[in-house]
Amino acid sequence: KAGVTQTPRYLIKTRGQQVTLSCSPISGHRSVSWYQQTPGQGLQFLFEYFSETQRNKGNFPGRFSGRQFSNSRSEMNVSTLELGDSALYLCASSATGTNQPQHFGDGTRLSIL
Amino acid sequence: SQQGEEDPQALSIQEGENATMNCSYKTSINNLQWYRQNSGRGLVHLILIRSNEREKHSGRLRVTLDTSKKSSSLLITASRAADTASYFCAYGGGGSEKLVFGKGTKLTVNP
Repeated sequence: KAGVTQTPRYLIKTRGQQVTLSCSPISGHRSVSWYQQTPGQGLQFLFEYFSETQRNKGNFPGRFSGRQFSNSRSEMNVSTLELGDSALYLCASSATGTNQPQHFGDGTRLSIL
Repeated sequence: SQQGEEDPQALSIQEGENATMNCSYKTSINNLQWYRQNSGRGLVHLILIRSNEREKHSGRLRVTLDTSKKSSSLLITASRAADTASYFCAYGGGGSEKLVFGKGTKLTVNP
């Protein structure tokens, strides 16, 4: 089975722009979660989607949004980029059911100039 | 903050030695997971231990969980240079997939 695929791997943007990141989960996984990793704050939960519905949301401003499609692929969008948005954005998918491990992609490294 | 705590923050050992990392958390949990991250890469899932389990093994890895102390430990036996990475504990609860991560332990295994 192919793992979680995130595109693109690297992105460079300038302040004020917006960006869309993509995540393809493991085949058959319907839950997709997004995390932000920075040196200062570590790994922080952004949001989780299941069957096209946002099921949980972390403590991030409204500039961060996401969606999930009927094939379980997910996108996250960040508008009006700020320098502090520079981070590694990680996507994870998991199978349905309790106590299922989350499997992560290699992430998208976003740099804001 | 709900964030878990791991110690030590950094650990340097020689190949062949054992490495022990500890994790403490603050809430009730359904399970606790351990992940490895090589520099600049994604997280690799190592072990998931359920709240009703006390110990779990996978190859050279041994994880313990003490829910009364809200703590877990990861033991890597007979370490190798390839084990050099950051290790994170993460826990979840309720029906949500949200994971709360610790700050991680940076392990260096010297050949």
